[in-house]
Amino acid sequence: GDSVTQMEGPVTLSEEAFLTINCTYTATGYPSLFWYVQYPGEGLQLLLKATKADDKGSNKGFEATYRKETTSFHLEKGSVQVSDSAVYFCALSSGTSYDKVIFGPGTSLSVIP
Amino acid sequence: NAGVTQTPKFQVLKTGQSMTLQCAQDMNHNSMYWYRQDPGMGLRLIYYSASEGTTDKGEVPNGYNVSRLNKREFSLRLESAAPSQTSVYFCASSEFRAGTYGYTFGSGTRLTVV
Repeated sequence: GDSVTQMEGPVTLSEEAFLTINCTYTATGYPSLFWYVQYPGEGLQLLLKATKADDKGSNKGFEATYRKETTSFHLEKGSVQVSDSAVYFCALSSGTSYDKVIFGPGTSLSVIP
Repeated sequence: NAGVTQTPKFQVLKTGQSMTLQCAQDMNHNSMYWYRQDPGMGLRLIYYSASEGTTDKGEVPNGYNVSRLNKREFSLRLESAAPSQTSVYFCASSEFRAGTYGYTFGSGTRLTVV
């Protein structure tokens, strides 16, 4: 079945460091790919998405490119801030209805001043 | 503010008790979902309702029932709570297809079953 694998962390970075969180997927057909972010004590928020190969999703300085050849959707940010401390979830949706989304286990990020 | 509202935010149940988690959205979304979140396992889909009047099982439906009361409201019921149902429960909604438009999530219900 469809699945998402991502580095589980925790990841600890200093402020202004470069961030990469790896995500790979297994899916039939042509899935849509997402990154969601969960700040402490809150629900998940959609961060960015890409719906076809080579698309780049971007938001709030974060970027991810849909790489079909490597089945990957790695999240990157050039300079992280303390306010980026959160749990990041890679996710996909596929199938004929695209009604459901499958999530990875999440990666916890802590940014220290 | 527009969004997804879940009640209650916290609940402690004894094994065997029943309860209903409430969810309402005011964005006129067609689809609604219930997920549970457990450490190291991400989110797992319990039940979903693609449109008003329909409900379908997700990955982990055992021990749960749902009701799509109207377009706005989608409730999750635990008939006989078990310790394995201790989790954080999230309701989400989507305008149409979650896989195209993405979800809007509520803030969650933290449930402990003792």
